[in-house]
Parts: sequence; structure tokens; C-alpha cells
Amino acid sequence: NAGVTQTPKFRVLKTGQSMTLLCAQDMNHEYMYWYRQDPGMGLRLIHYSVGEGTTAKGEVPDGYNVSRLKKQNFLLGLESAAPSQTSVYFCASSYGVVMNTEAFFGQGTRLTVV
Amino acid sequence: AQSVTQLGSHVSVSEGALVLLRCNYSSSVPPYLFWYVQYPNQGLQLLLKYTTGATLVKGINGFEAEFKKSETSFHLTKPSAHMSDAAEYFCAVTPPGLAGGGNKLTFGTGTQLKVEL
Repeated sequence: NAGVTQTPKFRVLKTGQSMTLLCAQDMNHEYMYWYRQDPGMGLRLIHYSVGEGTTAKGEVPDGYNVSRLKKQNFLLGLESAAPSQTSVYFCASSYGVVMNTEAFFGQGTRLTVV
Repeated sequence: AQSVTQLGSHVSVSEGALVLLRCNYSSSVPPYLFWYVQYPNQGLQLLLKYTTGATLVKGINGFEAEFKKSETSFHLTKPSAHMSDAAEYFCAVTPPGLAGGGNKLTFGTGTQLKVEL
């Protein structure tokens, strides 16, 4: 049982390059989320999805796009990377049921934009 | 809008001493509350959560937290610190029920716990 798996774990991009971060969960969760973690700022929600084929904006969506074509996968895209997007990115998933709201997190992707 | 304040970005305790990490929230209705722990270079792991019912919640690794509505607080405690408790701890909230779109967590800025011999 792998839980939430993020690919890749590390990446260095040049300004203006694009990339896609992949998140996969094997718990049949309906809800999936992308957060970014920056020093002294905690985690901030970028985008989230409440089910296959749906996406919605979080707190800091600018510069990112997402897709949820399959229930188990949630992709985060950077079309034109900027140094301000240097961060650690975490994917999470949850059932989203009222009394079972625990979110399970992946190990993170450390992205550096130079 | 909801927000979370964690007092003290760094807390240092001696091994065997009481651990107290503070969390206060601001929300129009009492939210669901969570404490997560993050060990170096790892993802976040749930320590404990409060949704409804008993306001004193026990979690893993000997941690517990008490929801105090009158004080809008959810402080995390552990009677006796261990070296293995050194990590970063995050308090988080989400609106109750499905109003929050499942588990759209709002996190505090984190508290780094250091445990000294």
C-alpha cells in the first residue's frame, strides 16, 4: 500500500521552462490537493479536486494548472516557471466525508527554479 | 475566512520536559482542527484531529490536544519530550462538514520543536 506518491522528488528548472508534477494515490480517495511549502509560511493550497474531472482554485493558484483525468492521479503543471515558484510541493488526498477528513500527504517534490 | 496562528516558530525543551505548542484559530464557526508533524525531508503525518465530541483528543506518540471553544485554541501537549519528537509541527483547520470542499486545510506557519539532552 503506497499511499500518496509524488514524482519527481527533486527538480531544477530554468526560468521559462515547463514541467508537470505527478501525484498518484491508491486509497480510492475522492479529494486531492496540491500545496506549496515555503519557509515561515506553512503550507498554502494551490489547487484541489473534489472528484475525477473536477478542479478548483485554492489560495495561490496563479502560474499553475492542474488536471484530474483519472481518479487516482492529480497533475500539477507549471507552464513557464519563475524563481518565485521555487518551493517544496506536497500532494494530499482524502475521502472528504464529513467525519473522516484526514488528509494523507506525499513525500514532497523539491523544485528549484534558477 | 479562517486563519491559524501558531505562537513561537521555534520551541526548545529538555528531554523529559513538558511539550506545549500553541495554536489559536479564527473562524466564524468552530472548525475541524488538526495537528500534523513533519520530520526532516518527509511529508506531513497526522498526529491527531478534533471534529466533534470529546474536546480532549489523544493522538499518536503520546501527544494530546484540547479544543477550547471559549479561547479559540487547540494547543498540543506531551508530558515528557523524547529526542525523537524533534520535528516541525503544524496546526491546521478546515470548515466543518463538507462546506470546506472536503479537506481544504488552512495551515499555521509551523513550530520547529528542538529537544535537548
